[in-house]
Amino acid sequence: DIQLTQSPSTLSASVGDRVTITCRASEIVYNWLAWFQQKPGKAPKLLIHKASTLQDGVPSTFSGSGSGTEFTLTINSLQPDDFATYYCQQYDSHPHTFGGGTKVEIK
Amino acid sequence: QVQLQESGPGLVKPSETLSLTCTVSGGSFAYHQWSWIRQPPGKGLEWIGYISYSGNTDYNPSLQSRVTISIDTPKSYFSLMLTSVTAADTATYYCARSIGSSFYYSDVWGKGTTVTVSS
Repeated sequence: DIQLTQSPSTLSASVGDRVTITCRASEIVYNWLAWFQQKPGKAPKLLIHKASTLQDGVPSTFSGSGSGTEFTLTINSLQPDDFATYYCQQYDSHPHTFGGGTKVEIK
Repeated sequence: QVQLQESGPGLVKPSETLSLTCTVSGGSFAYHQWSWIRQPPGKGLEWIGYISYSGNTDYNPSLQSRVTISIDTPKSYFSLMLTSVTAADTATYYCARSIGSSFYYSDVWGKGTTVTVSS
């Protein structure tokens, strides 16, 4: 199975900050990587697919980059609604695997 | 706008079979994969598997011996069966639509249903 390692596992930030989350894959996944946002008690919400394609309706403050084995999710100007846990997922090969998550907390 | 809704028992006894259904409304059932993902309490997400609208399946090898995903295209629902459950199968189970061409990502999710395995 392809392992996805997210860092950091927890991140403390303030409203207006620029935040970057990293996802490293144990094997090449090309650009078949998605990012999800999850709030407590809610289903994950797709933010980005194909490493950098913003899902319809997602604010442009979110962006994704990377290919191969290293990817980043950037949130420009963190908003109160952005405090949540973020997961990456590779869908290059089966089984599709998720990273361990990054919790973005209020500083 | 497509919507998905999970349903099924919230409590299953150890060694029994977990059965869940995901009803799809508001969108086409064709040309997509239909997925199950689970999340144990306080933990991360685990991909269980998916089924195409035509019935082809792919399962997580860690669960393959116990899992079956089936589909009823005319009735727009798909189902998950997980046999011989243990406490480790306690989780919130999500169904999702997965789209793409050859490489599928989950763009629409159900709200999730919590299943507890306990006697």
